[in-house]
Amino acid sequence: QSALTQPASVSGSPGQSITISCTGTSSDVGRYHYVSWYQQHPGKAPKLMIYDVSNRPSGVSNRFSASKSGNTASLTISGLQAEDEADYYCTSFTSSDTLVFGGGTKLTVL
Amino acid sequence: EVQLVESGGGLGQPGGSLRLSCVASGFTFSGYWMHWVRQVPGKGLEWVSGIESDGSKAKYGDSVKGRFTISRDNAKNTLYVQMNNLRAEDTAIYYCARDGPGGATDFDYWGQGTLVTVSS
Repeated sequence: QSALTQPASVSGSPGQSITISCTGTSSDVGRYHYVSWYQQHPGKAPKLMIYDVSNRPSGVSNRFSASKSGNTASLTISGLQAEDEADYYCTSFTSSDTLVFGGGTKLTVL
Repeated sequence: EVQLVESGGGLGQPGGSLRLSCVASGFTFSGYWMHWVRQVPGKGLEWVSGIESDGSKAKYGDSVKGRFTISRDNAKNTLYVQMNNLRAEDTAIYYCARDGPGGATDFDYWGQGTLVTVSS
């Protein structure tokens, strides 16, 4: 199972919006409504930000939103803040009854 | 408060074995799927394995299938992974994670991780 494709890096200025894409195939992202997004700060465990394509867990800021179209899922962060600078990973359920992560995207807040 | 505490990491020999443990507290452990996810330091995340709440079903990533065995002891609130035939590419931080509120791919609580280094 190949990793989902994410851009290696994205950047934005405080207050701006950015979008991170996550491209899979018709056997994973395109087939299931089971895409999640994680935020990871250096030296820390990942934090769940989005589940089931577009749902936010309790406590996650509504500045984080996500969607899916075809084989590509997207995470949007609006009103960028310095604390948003982190690595972001997507993951999807697959037709092999396994899970696959994206390669990760480093977000830099300029 | 939900807590997951991994242990058992360290130096393993190529071809050797290690067993990792993850002790859970603060929730009804027997009610949740549990998973192992690993991360090569400085690199991305990789799902390793998952096990159903009662231990009846287990799933594995292709890179560990046939070498790793996940298990759990609900009486001890503990998750395990037995890692056999270790390879250099198994070197990583191993996290245990609890199944989240969604349908399949979300982990809402993670441990702090335990580092496994495979080297002669």
